[in-house]
Amino acid sequence: DADVTQTPRNRITKTGKRIMLECSQTKGHDRMYWYRQDPGLGLRLIYYSFDVKDINKGEISDGYSVSRQAQAKFSLSLESAIPNQTALYFCATSDPTGSGTDTQYFGPGTRLTVL
Amino acid sequence: GNSVTQMEGPVTLSEEAFLTINCTYTATGYPSLFWYVQYPGEGLQLLLKATKADDKGSNKGFEATYRKETTSFHLEKGSVQVSDSAVYFCALSDKYGGSQGNLIFGKGTKLSVKP
Repeated sequence: DADVTQTPRNRITKTGKRIMLECSQTKGHDRMYWYRQDPGLGLRLIYYSFDVKDINKGEISDGYSVSRQAQAKFSLSLESAIPNQTALYFCATSDPTGSGTDTQYFGPGTRLTVL
Repeated sequence: GNSVTQMEGPVTLSEEAFLTINCTYTATGYPSLFWYVQYPGEGLQLLLKATKADDKGSNKGFEATYRKETTSFHLEKGSVQVSDSAVYFCALSDKYGGSQGNLIFGKGTKLSVKP
C-alpha cells in the first residue's frame, strides 16, 4: 500500500464551486505539505504543517485553505474555485532526521480542472 | 532568498548516451541538495541527495556532487536508458535558513530517451 495517498486522483469542477482535496499518510511523519505543479513552473508550496497545531502559509496560499485533522491527514480546500487553479496538486510528508536533511515523500497527485 | 536554477528542457538523447542536467543554487545558509524524479503519471520520488559540500549522492547510475565553490549540483549518468525518461527536479532545503527546511524546487527538466 502507498505511504502517501491522495483523493480524488482527478476532479473536474466549475468556477465558484468549493473543492476539497484530501491527503493521508501512514509514514508517521509530523510534517505535511501541499504543492501545486504547473507546466514550466516546477512545484510551488501552498501550505505546510509541522504538526497538528502548526500550520503555515507557503509561497502561493491566496485562494486556498487547509485543515490538519490529525497527524495523518491534511486537507486542502479551494473555497471558490477559479480556472487559474487548474493544476496538478501534490501532498508530501517529511520527518527531519538528526542530520538535518529534509527528504520529502510525495503522494501520486490530484489533477484538478476548473472550467 | 533561496533559489534553484536548472537547465531548461526538453532534453532528448539516444539510449546509452551521457546525460548532464545542470543545477545551480543560491542559499543564505547551508543547504542540503536533492534531485527528485517524476515518471509519467506519478508523483515525485527522491533520486539522490547530498547534505554537505563535496558529498556525492548516487542512485540507479545517477550521480551528483555538491560543489560549494560553484554553488552547483549537476546530475550525471554515463549511459541512459529508455526507462530514464522522466522529469527531473533539483531542489534545496535550508534547515537553518529562513525557509525552515522547506524544499525550494527548480522548474524541472524533461528528459526523453529514444531507443
